[in-house]
Amino acid sequence: QVQLVQSGGGVAQPGRSLRLSCETSGFDFSTYGMNWVRQAPGKGLEWVAVISRDSTYIVYADSVRGRFTISRDNSKNTVDLQMDSLRPNDTAIYYCAKERQWEMDYWGPGTLVTVS
Amino acid sequence: QSVPTQPPSASGTPGQKVVISCSGSRSNIGKNNANWYQHLPGTAPKLLIYSDNKRPSGVSDRFSGSKSGTSASLAISGLRFEDEGDYYCGAWDDSLGGPLFGGGTKLTVL
Repeated sequence: QVQLVQSGGGVAQPGRSLRLSCETSGFDFSTYGMNWVRQAPGKGLEWVAVISRDSTYIVYADSVRGRFTISRDNSKNTVDLQMDSLRPNDTAIYYCAKERQWEMDYWGPGTLVTVS
Repeated sequence: QSVPTQPPSASGTPGQKVVISCSGSRSNIGKNNANWYQHLPGTAPKLLIYSDNKRPSGVSDRFSGSKSGTSASLAISGLRFEDEGDYYCGAWDDSLGGPLFGGGTKLTVL
């Protein structure tokens, strides 16, 4: 069965960095795009970044462009989110999500990032 | 790109039917497939409807989706207490170059 296991996150001071990782299993990772989505406290879902199956297509939300970097390792079935220059409004639960065609069909459990 | 608009809240009693609307634009719902996600408290979001009106395996047929022009709708029939949570529409946005979520609708089962 498809599994997405997230790690990383925690507490960081403004301006510092954190790295999130999402380890996947149960599907052919190299043939699917992957996303990161976040939910700030009391807010709705906000898409953060997408990476295509071969890393040739990478797009970021305006709110994180230039500060966050999405990457993947198809040999390890993992997708990462490097978060630099963190701001208090980056505080959120971050989810990794597998892309099927134009929808996200499997989601990780989420990991909390607190910037304070 | 503008975030698709959803009503902030919806409610119903057990057994009733509730419809949640999602108003998008030509760059997202008007051109691309509409999807719906269920986000229950303390859990990860779950894909409920994809490609406007298709249900993933395992999703109850109480949930159905439709789309017309730049708007999409999610209908939940036979409402149950366990349906209480947040519901988000989503679609690829050509202007953004990525997916866009609606603002979300909090469903309360009275």
